[in-house]
Amino acid sequence: SYVLTQPPSVSVAPGQTAMITCGGNNIGSKSVHWYQQKPGQAPVLVIYFESDRPSGIPERFSGSKSGNTATLTISRVEAGDEADYYCQVWDSSSARVLFGGGTKLTVL
Amino acid sequence: QLQLRESGPGLVKPSETLSLTCTVSTDSIRNSPYYWGWIRQPPGKGLEWIGSIYYSGSTYYNPSLKSRVTISVDTSKNQFFLKLSSVTASDTALYYCARRGSSDWFDPWGQGTLVTVSS
Repeated sequence: SYVLTQPPSVSVAPGQTAMITCGGNNIGSKSVHWYQQKPGQAPVLVIYFESDRPSGIPERFSGSKSGNTATLTISRVEAGDEADYYCQVWDSSSARVLFGGGTKLTVL
Repeated sequence: QLQLRESGPGLVKPSETLSLTCTVSTDSIRNSPYYWGWIRQPPGKGLEWIGSIYYSGSTYYNPSLKSRVTISVDTSKNQFFLKLSSVTASDTALYYCARRGSSDWFDPWGQGTLVTVSS
């Protein structure tokens, strides 16, 4: 079955750039979406269709895709960006919505 | 601004049926060309999609849960519902409802409701 692979954790200093990857076979053929989940809160959509930002999401959040990997990039990281981040796709072969395992972003 | 709110029992006994309601405010399910979905998150773990429903009642479910899941909608009350039968401890989770976008993204989400399966 299709699997989305994310690193368990990423650490970055304030003001630096964080890159969170999401790997999946032939992910280039799928639409990838990203969510931010802060402790005790519901997930919030931060990127859809690989690189589109919903209203209210800072421009510091961007997305890209290349080969078998999608990447969420957070520029000029702030303490408030510390959260779990999940990627998500629709897998047509199994007819299901799939989430990656999540990446905990720590701001040092 | 669209808001969703989950409600239902916080404790369900093993082998019984979990029943939750999602109430949609501000917007009207009947007038919105969207699907609506349920997603769950076991404590300390990741997200798992359960299923989605259109205002017309058309549904699609996670194949791994399909035999136990029923999602329905009541447009007159602006609510949609989740029923999960034959629950076990592994069904203990935070259950979220959300609006589904045009390509299966979810936005916004409700605040979630914790359901514990225990005798």
